[in-house]
Amino acid sequence: QQPVQSPQAVILREGEDAVINCSSSKALYSVHWYRQKHGEAPVFLMILLKGGEQKGHEKISASFNEKKQQSSLYLTASQLSYSGTYFCGTSGSARQLTFGSGTQLTVLP
Amino acid sequence: ETGVTQTPRHLVMGMTNKKSLKCEQHLGHNAMYWYKQSAKKPLELMFVYSLEERVENNSVPSRFSPECPNSSHLFLHLHTLQPEDSALYLCASSQETGVQPQHFGDGTRLSIL
Repeated sequence: QQPVQSPQAVILREGEDAVINCSSSKALYSVHWYRQKHGEAPVFLMILLKGGEQKGHEKISASFNEKKQQSSLYLTASQLSYSGTYFCGTSGSARQLTFGSGTQLTVLP
Repeated sequence: ETGVTQTPRHLVMGMTNKKSLKCEQHLGHNAMYWYKQSAKKPLELMFVYSLEERVENNSVPSRFSPECPNSSHLFLHLHTLQPEDSALYLCASSQETGVQPQHFGDGTRLSIL
């Protein structure tokens, strides 16, 4: 069963912060985050494994709450280059990824 | 340059045609994947290959036939497709299967007439 992402879309100004959530109805082993720009390949951002760790990648970080079976992606002081569609992919015991429908992020100048 | 190259980038075909999509990875990875990406739908995993052996087939119709002749190349053979098969087909690779970052190609945009 695919994870649920929220919000579906968000528009913000350069320098503002955003949070994208990814929730699953089943126990999770890992959460993967990808960003895809229009007409381009999805690009890997980070993987979080069960254990509630938080990871960071420049001004983009994420947390994984295995009890709540959810992950959140934090974009701080957003830049124009952050625009794109963000996907979370989750895996349970089978280890294969199931992706959410994506969150379209638009950063305006 | 993502390290994963897909050809062709665009393909238009009739429902009775036979065509193939090609994927090549230059990353030395052992696992390769085919995904289908339709508008406003999540990425759908179609096939997974590990060291040239198919390890996953997610109930994909037989009109899609994958082939992995070696760990660097992956094909998706298409025949007698339906209009609902129109989508972006993405290839990805990773070092191994399981919890690994996946590197995606730019995809082939397929349109069925």
